[in-house]
Amino acid sequence: GAVVSQHPSRVICKSGTSVKIECRSLDFQATTMFWYRQFPKQSLMLMATSNEGSKATYEQGVEKDKFLINHASLTLSTLTVTSAHPEDSSFYICSAPTGGDSYEQYFGPGTRLTVT
Amino acid sequence: GQNIDQPTEMTATEGAIVQINCTYQTSGFNGLFWYQQHAGEAPTFLSYNVLDGLEEKGRFSSFLSRSKGYSYLLLKELQMKDSASYLCAPLDSNYQLIWGAGTKLIIKP
Repeated sequence: GAVVSQHPSRVICKSGTSVKIECRSLDFQATTMFWYRQFPKQSLMLMATSNEGSKATYEQGVEKDKFLINHASLTLSTLTVTSAHPEDSSFYICSAPTGGDSYEQYFGPGTRLTVT
Repeated sequence: GQNIDQPTEMTATEGAIVQINCTYQTSGFNGLFWYQQHAGEAPTFLSYNVLDGLEEKGRFSSFLSRSKGYSYLLLKELQMKDSASYLCAPLDSNYQLIWGAGTKLIIKP
């Protein structure tokens, strides 16, 4: 199946700093990528839809100025958590559909963010 | 609104069969996915149903009834590695996945 990578897998940062998370589709082109956040024992929460060459679409309640998304190429989307606070500590996961007739989303391995 | 209902947790014995039920309400419907998620990892694809009926894939089968807004995932010959959360996720009219909290399955020897 298709492969999606994420980097870094784990990051610890101090409150007030910014963290960038990369999501790459390794063997297919992704015009759309999705960014999710998941708190322990809770469901995946869609944060935003990243669109190659255009602005991301953010879900209600997600601050676009805090969670900056850039989809600069057909294989790379980045999520930058700006001025991170402890409440931003979570598991961030990206996914991408391979397109065509398939609606299946392939997930990256996730990034565990801890803000101290 | 959109809603997914699955049991929070289930326990089963190694070698046995377990059925995880899911009922859903969505704005439009374009099929339903089942994903498996081990603790601390991202979800992995198990199945996709768009038509009514049973789809069998090895030890795992998935059933869909669109008129009832109901699906189930059937796991046979349970193995310890099947201990995970199982996520039922229908696609709505915008082809967006709607996620519930999932069912945590605990397998005991």
